[in-house]
Amino acid sequence: KQEVTQIPAALSVPEGENLVLNCSFTDSAIYNLQWFRQDPGKGLTSLLLIQSSQREQTSGRLNASLDKSSGRSTLYIAASQPGDSATYLCAVRPSSFRSTSYGKLTFGQGTILTVHP
Amino acid sequence: NAGVMQNPRHLVRRRGQEARLRCSPMKGHSHVYWYRQLPEEGLKFMVYLQKENIIDESGMPKERFSAEFPKEGPSILRIQQVVRGDSAAYFCASSPGPDWDYGYTFGSGTRLTVV
Repeated sequence: KQEVTQIPAALSVPEGENLVLNCSFTDSAIYNLQWFRQDPGKGLTSLLLIQSSQREQTSGRLNASLDKSSGRSTLYIAASQPGDSATYLCAVRPSSFRSTSYGKLTFGQGTILTVHP
Repeated sequence: NAGVMQNPRHLVRRRGQEARLRCSPMKGHSHVYWYRQLPEEGLKFMVYLQKENIIDESGMPKERFSAEFPKEGPSILRIQQVVRGDSAAYFCASSPGPDWDYGYTFGSGTRLTVV
């Protein structure tokens, strides 16, 4: 059974810092990994999607890496801003020939990020 | 092109009542996935539906919960005789088909409060 762990559970940093959020998963048989952002009381916003064959993806100040063999992904946020404050979730999609599994994402518990001015 | 639409955004029910949550997938999408986020817990898969067909309901509680996705109209997650423990945020996502390479887009969720 896939388990996804995110460390740290919470992080508080001053504005301008570069920071790294970690995601680890127990079963390396994944199809892809997706990072989301969730603001309090809101839905999920997709940030980055990394296919299992890729090593990293970048979007603006965000960079996500994937080491499938070791079961790890990191989300790097450069020059953090107060507007980055949110909960960051990673989710893995299983690699399976059973189509019933395709949409069955396994989520981590999230990292609550606070960036203070 | 509207995203995944969920309504209502907030729903308050008394214990024992029924709750109906609706999810309209993105245009052209015929597969819907429901997830639940309990307080202080991560999102957990509940059910995967294709129009007129339940594909995988392995995450659904055995009693009181049901889901459907009719040929016309939104997908409905129905919770009968709600209890306090059903209070959670319920999210849905959609895709055009089962093998979708481009990640999942989620709706804004329905926050159910049972009083």
